[in-house]
Amino acid sequence: GAVVSQHPSWVICKSGTSVKIECRSLDFQATTMFWYRQFPKQSLMLMATSNEGSKATYEQGVEKDKFLINHASLTLSTLTVTSAHPEDSSFYICSAPGGGETQYFGPGTRLLVL
Amino acid sequence: QKEVEQNSGPLSVPEGAIASLNCTYSDRGSQSFFWYRQYSGKSPELIMFIYSNGDKEDGRFTAQLNKASQYVSLLIRDSQPSDSATYLCAVNMFGAGGTSYGKLTFGQGTILTVHP
Repeated sequence: GAVVSQHPSWVICKSGTSVKIECRSLDFQATTMFWYRQFPKQSLMLMATSNEGSKATYEQGVEKDKFLINHASLTLSTLTVTSAHPEDSSFYICSAPGGGETQYFGPGTRLLVL
Repeated sequence: QKEVEQNSGPLSVPEGAIASLNCTYSDRGSQSFFWYRQYSGKSPELIMFIYSNGDKEDGRFTAQLNKASQYVSLLIRDSQPSDSATYLCAVNMFGAGGTSYGKLTFGQGTILTVHP
């Protein structure tokens, strides 16, 4: 089946630095990708919709200037957490819709901000 | 009111029993409904989806949808210890059968433990 990869799988950074997370669809093209965030013991919360060739659409309460999304090609979307702080520590998961009702999730990136 | 709400857990069942997971949703216009399983530290994996009223069976799993009641459930027959995970109900509030937009709203999850 279709595969979505994420890189890195985990990252530890100092407060104030920026972190870039990549999401790739490996064997299919994705004009749309989704970025979710999951805090411990909580469910996935949609952060934004990444659109190839246009601006991302952010969910209410998500700061677009803090979470920069770039959908550079039909197989790559990146999420950059700018000036990360400890409260940004979370599990970030991307997904891409496949055919029909299928949606493929990446393996997730665990971010720890010290 | 939460948009997607699941029965509070954790749920513990003995091996071989039927596990019943429930989910209600608030948007009557929702079209597609999904059940995901998430192991600790991993991303969700799709168990099954349903968009027509009634039952849909896949192996040991049966999804049930009642749009009038805005209710969707997942039954796991012959539960196994390997089924122990968090089960997430997700609703596609923008898609229609066969044309998924992909934007999902998740419930808070139900932790299932199957003990030997």
